[in-house]
Parts: sequence; structure tokens; C-alpha cells
Amino acid sequence: ETGVTQTPRHLVMGMTNKKSLKCEQHLGHNAMYWYKQSAKKPLELMFVYNFKEQTENNSVPSRFSPECPNSSHLFLHLHTLQPEDSALYLCASSQAASGFTDTQYFGPGTRLTVL
Amino acid sequence: GEDVEQSLFLSVREGDSSVINCTYTDSSSTYLYWYKQEPGAGLQLLTYIFSNMDMKQDQRLTVLLNKKDKHLSLRIADTQTGDSAIYFCAEKEEYGNKLVFGAGTILRVKS
Repeated sequence: ETGVTQTPRHLVMGMTNKKSLKCEQHLGHNAMYWYKQSAKKPLELMFVYNFKEQTENNSVPSRFSPECPNSSHLFLHLHTLQPEDSALYLCASSQAASGFTDTQYFGPGTRLTVL
Repeated sequence: GEDVEQSLFLSVREGDSSVINCTYTDSSSTYLYWYKQEPGAGLQLLTYIFSNMDMKQDQRLTVLLNKKDKHLSLRIADTQTGDSAIYFCAEKEEYGNKLVFGAGTILRVKS
């Protein structure tokens, strides 16, 4: 257990559905991240939140909408996804001490399948 | 932009040493990391090294950093079947908290 939990672990949705992924960290960190892991591709950073403020949006399509209500919780709202969005979505958190190691700790991921 | 490259696959026999290699392009990287991912799981931090170090040892793990050649390696001594996983190298940019990951190396340990 890394102190970062994600729910659900598996999700199957149609292209017209709306769903949300949830991430919670119990480490007292101030930065949270969403990554997408597709088969045979490097891990792709999607969004970064520092102290609840979005500081990075890596050209992610608007059908992915993040929300960070507080430093412990991060959501990824999904709507009108495409089959190519099927992937493992990983959440991570870190202390957000830029200039120091700021090690990121990952959750187990949500395996998303879009039909 | 930054780029991190790793070999895709490594197969070793149980009890042998494994060496996983990584090259990166960002000379201003401050920290470099090794993560392990087992099937169906997230990424587990194994170890990291600060860019002004050239070696770090942690039990069976040895990290070597050649900053001049921008080459990082992870050596696993006495490799066990439980070490079978995907290993990711990542570099941290000088400013901010963004990590750039390699594509991962699949380590297969044969008993």
C-alpha cells in the first residue's frame, strides 16, 4: 500500500456514458497527478495539481475533466470517450516541494475500457 | 523536449544479476527514479538518485549514473522470480514537479 487509493479499479463504459474516476491520498501531500498508461506507450502525464490549483494540462482533450476539491482528493470526469481512450489511468501524489526530490507515489490505477 | 529511452525486454535466470539501462536527454535533470510495476498494479517507487551522485546502493539494488553520457542503470543482484515486472526509468525536470518516463523494460526471470 502506497497511501494512494483509486476507485473504481475497473470500469467499462460506452461512448455516450458519463463516469468519474476517484483518487485519494493519505500521505499529507500537496500535489496530485493524473497519468494515462496505454499499451506499448510511455506513461503520459495528463494533469498536475499543486495546492488544489491546476498547474499542468498536457494538451488533454476536453472529454477529460479533472477536479481537485482539496489536496487529498482528485477526480477525473469522463464523458463521450472514444475507444482509444481505453487505458490504465494512474493517480499519483507528491509533497510538492519543487527543487527537492518530490517523489511521486502512485495508486493502483483504474483499468478503463471504452466500448 | 525531454526524452527517456529504455530497452524493451530483459530475460535472466533466477539467481543471476539483472542490469536495466536507461538514457535520457535533459542535462538539467535533478533526480532520476526507478519504478517497478507488477501486473495489474500501479507503479512502486524502488529507488532514486540525485544528479550529483554516481552510485547508490540499497540492498539488492545498485543504481549507477553517468551524467556525462546521460546514462542510468539499475542492477538487481540475485534476481528472484518475484522481481519479474516492468521497470520504468524517470527523470525529474530541474524546476517544477514533472516526471518524464521511459517506456519501461519488461524483466522476465526464469526459474
